[in-house]
Amino acid sequence: AQTVTQSQPEMSVQEAETVTLSCTYDTSENNYYLFWYKQPPSRQMILVIRQEAYKQQNATENRFSVNFQKAAKSFSLKISDSQLGDTAMYFCAFMKQGAQKLVFGQGTRLTINP
Amino acid sequence: GAGVSQSPSNKVTEKGKDVELRCDPISGHTALYWYRQSLGQGLEFLIYFQGNSAPDKSGLPSDRFSAERTGGSVSTLTIQRTQQEDSAVYLCASSPSRGQGAIGYTFGSGTRLTVV
Repeated sequence: AQTVTQSQPEMSVQEAETVTLSCTYDTSENNYYLFWYKQPPSRQMILVIRQEAYKQQNATENRFSVNFQKAAKSFSLKISDSQLGDTAMYFCAFMKQGAQKLVFGQGTRLTINP
Repeated sequence: GAGVSQSPSNKVTEKGKDVELRCDPISGHTALYWYRQSLGQGLEFLIYFQGNSAPDKSGLPSDRFSAERTGGSVSTLTIQRTQQEDSAVYLCASSPSRGQGAIGYTFGSGTRLTVV
């Protein structure tokens, strides 16, 4: 079974700073996908960024980028130039290739302070 | 509709009562998923429907939980004889097909269930 661990329950930074959220996972699979989701108070899970395990290049989406270390089973999210609207819960998630279920970590509550 | 719609948004029920939670997926999405998010926790998979195939019920925590999907569209999650530990946010998601890597996976805003 796959597990996803987020070791930082809460983080807080000042607006415009850079912040990195940590995620590690455990799997015996070689082909899989990793995700970061954002959950604002509206409760809807919003996809931030997606990484395919077979791709060595780290995914980027505007101010969001990941550091994917397959051998270490690590998948951290970097948010540059943080904005007040980035305040939310962030979840790391795993999906093995061919499956449809997402396996989530426990989440990190991120607060961006003005 | 434009997104995944869930109702009710919030539900308070007495212990022992049955509840029904509804999910209306994005039109044309053949796959539908239910997840549970207990307080301060990540999402836990409950059940998955794909077209006319038998659902994957491997995540249902007990036989008090059941779900159906009528006509390949709307889904209802039913919890019988609710217990306080059932209090959680129940999130539904849909996706266009048996695509790889959660392509098009879209979540609703969930139903917050409180059992008193």
